[in-house]
Amino acid sequence: DTAVSQTPKYLVTQMGNDKSIKCEQNLGHDTMYWYKQDSKKFLKIMFSYNNKELIINETVPNRFSPKSPDKAHLNLHINSLELGDSAVYFCASSQDLAGGITEGYEQYFGPGTRLTVT
Amino acid sequence: RKEVEQDPGPFNVPEGATVAFNCTYSNSASQSFFWYRQDCRKEPKLLMSVYSSGNEDGRFTAQLNRASQYISLLIRDSKLSDSATYLCAYTGTASKLTFGTGTRLQVTL
Repeated sequence: DTAVSQTPKYLVTQMGNDKSIKCEQNLGHDTMYWYKQDSKKFLKIMFSYNNKELIINETVPNRFSPKSPDKAHLNLHINSLELGDSAVYFCASSQDLAGGITEGYEQYFGPGTRLTVT
Repeated sequence: RKEVEQDPGPFNVPEGATVAFNCTYSNSASQSFFWYRQDCRKEPKLLMSVYSSGNEDGRFTAQLNRASQYISLLIRDSKLSDSATYLCAYTGTASKLTFGTGTRLQVTL
């Protein structure tokens, strides 16, 4: 009965490859997020989707493309991986008021995907 | 100035001690504030939401000072299991969580 799950947990790949990370939540939430935590442990939002619609894109290189086939899933595809993409990627979800307003609502995080680019 | 600033620590305290962390934020339009706890190699988990009147949950007390733009977390009677990194965060008008870099707490025997 995992709330927010991600696959894979670990991903080791070479520069230039394309890879995907999958995220699923069974909480019935309408809003999902991708965060990146770098080696300095700084956790920063990348994208947010509300009911399959992109609402936040934080100046992320367009090599990163999120896709939300339905509101329970938010996948992240990364093209032409670079060394600097090595990080832990967390998916999260939250409930929201109509219109994607998530003020004050807790975000539940997945266990993270540790990506290492060599 | 960073959007959210925290002392990275580590704060090394003995069991039973009281420890307090502050977190300053630069965006005066910030709406909601939170403290998250993150264990090594794990995901962040919500510890407390921070209400303008301050709130308490067992050994944990959170305070918000909008005039000085900081939030605080007080932990009383520290336990070994409190050892973790504590992240403060806020949501602004964009409905996204902006995190600080975290304060590491190590509780020792």
